[in-house]
Amino acid sequence: GAGVSQSPSNKVTEKGKDVELRCDPISGHTALYWYRQSLGQGLEFLIYFQGNSAPDKSGLPSDRFSAERTGGSVSTLTIQRTQQEDSAVYLCASSLYKGSSYEQYFGPGTRLTVT
Amino acid sequence: DQQVKQNSPSLSVQEGRISILNCDYTNSMFDYFLWYKKYPAEGPTFLISISSIKDKNEDGRFTVFLNKSAKHLSLHIVPSQPGDSAVYFCAASDPYLDSGNTPLVFGKGTRLSVIA
Repeated sequence: GAGVSQSPSNKVTEKGKDVELRCDPISGHTALYWYRQSLGQGLEFLIYFQGNSAPDKSGLPSDRFSAERTGGSVSTLTIQRTQQEDSAVYLCASSLYKGSSYEQYFGPGTRLTVT
Repeated sequence: DQQVKQNSPSLSVQEGRISILNCDYTNSMFDYFLWYKKYPAEGPTFLISISSIKDKNEDGRFTVFLNKSAKHLSLHIVPSQPGDSAVYFCAASDPYLDSGNTPLVFGKGTRLSVIA
């Protein structure tokens, strides 16, 4: 079956512009996560959706970042008024809780470059 | 303040020898640990995991060891193969929801190079 897909794969934008990043999780997965990886850093948690519960936004670095998940499936991460420090690879993951398994399946990521 | 630390940014190993990747954590609430492997331009892929109730989990050439008292885990790859060359991320889970799905806390990764 299809894995997690993300679009676009690369995005170059000017400082101050808004960007939208899209994630299509694996069908049936109830949980969806956004992470980002800045140069030389590990994966940093941003936001997490679990079923119909309110999202966990505790990882969002500023109020310029927001995300939504429509119909429990596709998610869009929006960054308003982008800054150069927003440049990173943005990774989406989804998971289906199976007993004690916490495995998350990652998409290929969107590389965002803010000039 | 990093809760999951991979202190070696890179490691080179000869083909056929053992690769040992180390990971330390500070949060005693973590109860599940995972290793992910990442190739360039791809997302991380799950490799192996271990629950805190165990001290070892083996899957083919890959074994993860957990030392809870030391808050340390390691990934052993034996024998190492050139295709194992990738960045390896250690991750930990701190479940606080009944569903068990929680964000993972990742280390910065270790780049493994297996030399033929």
